[in-house]
Amino acid sequence: QSVLTQPPSVSAAPGQKVTISCSGSTSNIGNHYVSWYQQVPGTVPKLLIYENNKRPSGIPDRFSGSKSGTSATLDITGLQTGDEADYYCGTWDRSLTAGVFGGGTKLTVL
Amino acid sequence: QVQLVESGGGVVQPGGALRLSCAASGFAFSDSGMHWVRQPPGRGLEWVAFIRFDGSDKHYADPVKGRFIISRDNSKNTLYLQMNNLRAEDTALYYCAKELYDSGSYDYWGRGDLVTVSS
Repeated sequence: QSVLTQPPSVSAAPGQKVTISCSGSTSNIGNHYVSWYQQVPGTVPKLLIYENNKRPSGIPDRFSGSKSGTSATLDITGLQTGDEADYYCGTWDRSLTAGVFGGGTKLTVL
Repeated sequence: QVQLVESGGGVVQPGGALRLSCAASGFAFSDSGMHWVRQPPGRGLEWVAFIRFDGSDKHYADPVKGRFIISRDNSKNTLYLQMNNLRAEDTALYYCAKELYDSGSYDYWGRGDLVTVSS
């Protein structure tokens, strides 16, 4: 069971918007930056968002992140079939003194 | 460009040991915190261990504490993970990952190395 809670799956049609949630606690999300990763099956995870809402160079602005209290969200607008992947949130947990990930959310673009 | 290349994985019996290596290039390895993250077959990402840029601070996930040791040799630009007393539940693809300054995020990942613990 993961320290961070994500929905197992989300789906939406091409061109639509989807939101993926990540819920934690004061020992992790509440006091640390959140990052988001995209993993297309069979490939290496890719950093999408760091420090809650910053995008590395090369990540399109269709991907955006936010954080409020002990929860974070990843928004993906203008969905494309190439966005089908597993998405993970991650952060540090000060009580565990360990990195933590959510269980992952499988995005299906219908 | 940044490259992280893991090696040392393979098949090992329960109770056995392996040492993973991660050869780094294309960035200032001695200035970067480094992590190991694993992914059991068909499952999600699991954080394993962290080492500070100078090796002065290390942290481990509870399931591996006391069995795994993370270390680094900055003169060789190489990260290590010594895995002892391996269990079936340690079977996974092991990634080394570079931390983006002190952001707690991982901006570069290796391709991973498979460790299989089986009798």
